[in-house]
Amino acid sequence: DIVLTQSPDSLALSLGERATINCKSSRSVLSTSNNKNYLAWYQQKPGQPPKLLISWASTRESGVPDRFSGSGSGTDFALTISSLQAEDVAVYYCQQYYSVLFSFGPGTKVEIK
Amino acid sequence: QVQLVESGGGLVRPGGSLRLSCTASGFTFSDYYMSWIRQAPGKGLEWVSYIRGSGSNIYYADSVKGRFTISRDNAKNSLYLQMNSLRAEDTAVYYCARGESEAAQQPFDFWGQGTLVTVSS
Repeated sequence: DIVLTQSPDSLALSLGERATINCKSSRSVLSTSNNKNYLAWYQQKPGQPPKLLISWASTRESGVPDRFSGSGSGTDFALTISSLQAEDVAVYYCQQYYSVLFSFGPGTKVEIK
Repeated sequence: QVQLVESGGGLVRPGGSLRLSCTASGFTFSDYYMSWIRQAPGKGLEWVSYIRGSGSNIYYADSVKGRFTISRDNAKNSLYLQMNSLRAEDTAVYYCARGESEAAQQPFDFWGQGTLVTVSS
């Protein structure tokens, strides 16, 4: 099974600051057949289901603000919020879909300082 | 618009059974892989089970294998999760979620609001 770890567990930043969340996979999620990374990022606000932000490691979903970006390949990935807004307070999860035994990272809580 | 609505949650005693349902609308249900994902109170997300559009390919997390059964009725646009031999650690909000496209390995682009299952004596 593929295990995902995230760092940090939580972070508190001021409005407008840059937030970076890291996700590390126990195995590469890069497919050699199509050169795609099977890695997604989700945002979950209290009392709501998760929302897909980024797929294929770096493809922003429709309607997601461009301050959110994803990067990385193979086993190491990052989600960056370029300028933190109040509405970005949430828990962020990475998820791999390289294996159909899907798995999520443990989550990173983002707060405003 | 795509909608997923779960139902069937509730309080059940350890060792008991429960059947969850997820009713889909706004898309051609039979074309898409569907999953159940759960979240224990205050905890992270755990993928539970996955079924192909035709129902021919099914996968389970080790934590539920042999106890839970996923199924679907494409004529009713419905996804199900039969949960048997329930344990306290199965207490969670259960979400149904859709794969982003008709292919097998996709992120989950639409989620229901979830239904709470509480296993307690």
